[in-house]
Amino acid sequence: AQSVTQLGSHVSVSEGALVLLRCNYSSSVPPYLFWYVQYPNQGLQLLLKYTTGATLVKGINGFEAEFKKSETSFHLTKPSAHMSDAAEYFCAVGNTDKLIFGTGTRLQVFP
Amino acid sequence: EAGVAQSPRYKIIEKRQSVAFWCNPISGHATLYWYQQILGQGPKLLIQFQNNGVVDDSQLPKDRFSAERLKGVDSTLKIQPAKLEDSAVYLCASSPGGHTRTDTQYFGPGTRLTVL
Repeated sequence: AQSVTQLGSHVSVSEGALVLLRCNYSSSVPPYLFWYVQYPNQGLQLLLKYTTGATLVKGINGFEAEFKKSETSFHLTKPSAHMSDAAEYFCAVGNTDKLIFGTGTRLQVFP
Repeated sequence: EAGVAQSPRYKIIEKRQSVAFWCNPISGHATLYWYQQILGQGPKLLIQFQNNGVVDDSQLPKDRFSAERLKGVDSTLKIQPAKLEDSAVYLCASSPGGHTRTDTQYFGPGTRLTVL
């Protein structure tokens, strides 16, 4: 069975600092992995996804994630945080027939 | 291109009452999903439609929840009767094709349900 673990329900960074949000997955088949962002009172929006090919995936708003099969990880990074990045971030794995979401990480950005 | 529309945005009801949510997916999207997002958790799939047929409703509490997608376009999700634990945000999403593992899903803003 597929599952996703997001380490850290809350992450706080200063504006301009590196953002690192952790995601580990479990999958019995080659995984398809996603990061979605949810701003307050809005639905989820795709940041990036890994299906096949290059393991370093670039997404919107300067975010990127690297698929590391040996570590079963798909961590999300951004070199320099902006105030507008404050939101909840969800990692998800594509199961054979559905998306399985993690519990989310709330990112706070301080000036 | 218009996004996924949902209504109402907020709903407050008392337990044992009934409630209905409406979703209009992005035009041309064949697949429609309803998710339940409880505070502090990730979205959980309730039901998935491919056109007007049900693909997966394994996590839908069928004794109280029902959903339909007539004519393969918009959809309604109903709860009858509601329980306190149904308090959550109900998200609707759509995707172009039937490849759930790889398709990007486009989400609506959700309906926040409070059951008192």
